[in-house]
Amino acid sequence: AQSVTQPDIHITVSEGASLELRCNYSYGATPYLFWYVQSPGQGLQLLLKYFSGDTLVQGIKGFEAEFKRSQSSFNLRKPSVHWSDAAEYFCAVAYNTDKLIFGTGTRLQVFP
Amino acid sequence: DTAVSQTPKYLVTQMGNDKSIKCEQNLGHDTMYWYKQDSKKFLKIMFSYNNKELIINETVPNRFSPKSPDKAHLNLHINSLELGDSAVYFCASSRATPNYGYTFGSGTRLTVV
Repeated sequence: AQSVTQPDIHITVSEGASLELRCNYSYGATPYLFWYVQSPGQGLQLLLKYFSGDTLVQGIKGFEAEFKRSQSSFNLRKPSVHWSDAAEYFCAVAYNTDKLIFGTGTRLQVFP
Repeated sequence: DTAVSQTPKYLVTQMGNDKSIKCEQNLGHDTMYWYKQDSKKFLKIMFSYNNKELIINETVPNRFSPKSPDKAHLNLHINSLELGDSAVYFCASSRATPNYGYTFGSGTRLTVV
């Protein structure tokens, strides 16, 4: 079955530190890959997406993600975290069925 | 201009009532979705419609009935509300293929008391 795993439920970092949020997907075919962010009480905002080409994709707010086929991973990174980055982050995948499958989310807490 | 708009934003109602949530998108997308986010933040697809036709129905109780009068609108009607229906419901839309991404509404927080 198609699934997405975000192994880290909760991550805490200091402001200015680097960040990496992990995401792994199952299934053999290369899916379309997405990262969304949800601030408290808000909807979902697309950070970045990958479907082909360069495996390192740049997104909004200084985020980037790298697709690694050999590891079935699509980890999200940011070199220097800001307090406003505190939110819930969701990795998601889609295949040709048009169904977006979400991971369980990683809650990011940022300390000053 | 809001791309995907949902109303209402908050909905508090008693068990057994019937309620509707409305969704409209002005992006010209062909496909619309309803997702449910539970108290643990888990997001799960409920339904998807492509150009008014039901495409995905993910084992949702038949108390939930989506209706798409046209491809820009997808409403969700819930009969006989139960406590377990309390959640945040998100509407989303996309073009025909996933690589264009999905645009989400701001959500409707439903509380059943």
